[in-house]
This record gives sequence, C-alpha cells and structure tokens, in this order.
Amino acid sequence: DAGVIQSPRHEVTEMGQEVTLRCKPISGHNSLFWYRQTMMRGLELLIYFNNNVPIDDSGMPEDRFSAKMPNASFSTLKIQPSEPRDSAVYFCASSSSNRGSDTQYFGPGTRLTVL
Amino acid sequence: AQTVTQSQPEMSVQEAETVTLSCTYDTSESNYYLFWYKQPPSRQMILVIRQEAYKQQNATENRFSVNFQKAAKSFSLKISDSQLGDTAMYFCAFMKQPPNDYKLSFGAGTTVTVRA
Repeated sequence: DAGVIQSPRHEVTEMGQEVTLRCKPISGHNSLFWYRQTMMRGLELLIYFNNNVPIDDSGMPEDRFSAKMPNASFSTLKIQPSEPRDSAVYFCASSSSNRGSDTQYFGPGTRLTVL
Repeated sequence: AQTVTQSQPEMSVQEAETVTLSCTYDTSESNYYLFWYKQPPSRQMILVIRQEAYKQQNATENRFSVNFQKAAKSFSLKISDSQLGDTAMYFCAFMKQPPNDYKLSFGAGTTVTVRA
C-alpha cells in the first residue's frame, strides 16, 4: 500500500501569498492529522479530522490557517496570507480507528519557506 | 495536557554498539499508547516501535526494544548493534487510548549519531 502522500515537498513563497498544502491519507484510514515542526516549538498538532469532520482545530495558529477534508482521500491546509514565521515543515499523518490500530503514519512533509 | 520529556538532546554511539534513549511522561490516564518515531535527515517520520500501556511485556522490533516502566512513567528505547542508518532524531510520543483522544504528544527529541 502507498503511504501518506503530500505535495508539494518544497514550497518557497513570498510574504502575503496564499499557500496550499495537500495530503492524501492511506487508503482506509479514517483519521487525518496536520502537524507543524519548527526548531523552536518542535512538533505541534494543528488539526485533526475523523471521518472527514474536523474534531479539534485548537492548534491552528490563527485565522490565516484553514484546513479542509472534502472526502476521505484528500485534505488541504491553506495559509492566507502567509508570513515568514509560518516557515516550517508541515506533516500530514493518518490512522485507522476501525482496525484496532491507532498508530499514526506520517507523510514525507512539506518544507515551507516564506520570504 | 500530557508532558513528554526526553532529557538527552544528543547521543553518540559507535557502530555495532548499544545505545539507550530515555523518555519520561506525565499522565493521570491508566490506558494509553507510547511510541518511538525516527526522523532521519530526509525528515520523514518513521514509526520505530509502539507499546500499549496495558501490556506488561516490553515491545521489540528487531534491533529496537523498549523498557516500559508504568509506575515510574518511563519508556526508554534501546538500539542494539547500531548501524550507520540509525543516525537520526528520535522522538518519544504519548497518546491516550482512543476514542478518548487521538492526539500525539511528542518529546523534544534526541539526536543519535552512529560513528563508523
């Protein structure tokens, strides 16, 4: 089976621009998570979805961040407008609560640089 | 909130030797999961090993094993016969037992360097 797929792998943009990160979870998984990794704050959970419904978005930094999951095989994380402090590695992870295994499997990450 | 502490920022080990990484956590839960993830320079987060708190037997995956001490809230990772490919940052993580929570709480990480 393919793992979690994220695109793009690298994104360089200018301050004020809109950025959209994409994620395809592992087929059959019903939970999806977005994390952000920075040197200062480590790994932080931004939002998680269960069965395509946002369950907890308390980690979303501010209104500039939004996430959607229109179907079970696709999610987006959008930053508008982007700021230099948003520079980080963004991970998507998925897990399955239906198979008795709740281990989260991570995608390769998107390295975002905002100039 | 759960707190996960990794007290060793960096460790170095000779190839073929053994290294042990420490992890402690703070929780009032009785049922939960613990994980070790590896992040090599490629930055991919890779699951190394998983432990269910209700299991007394320590988890083992090939050269990786854990020492789970529930009363002490300690969860150390032992890497035996270290290989150059083990060079990575290692993160300890805690998760309450679903369906109560699906959140992973991560420690700050330990950078392991395997020397040839």
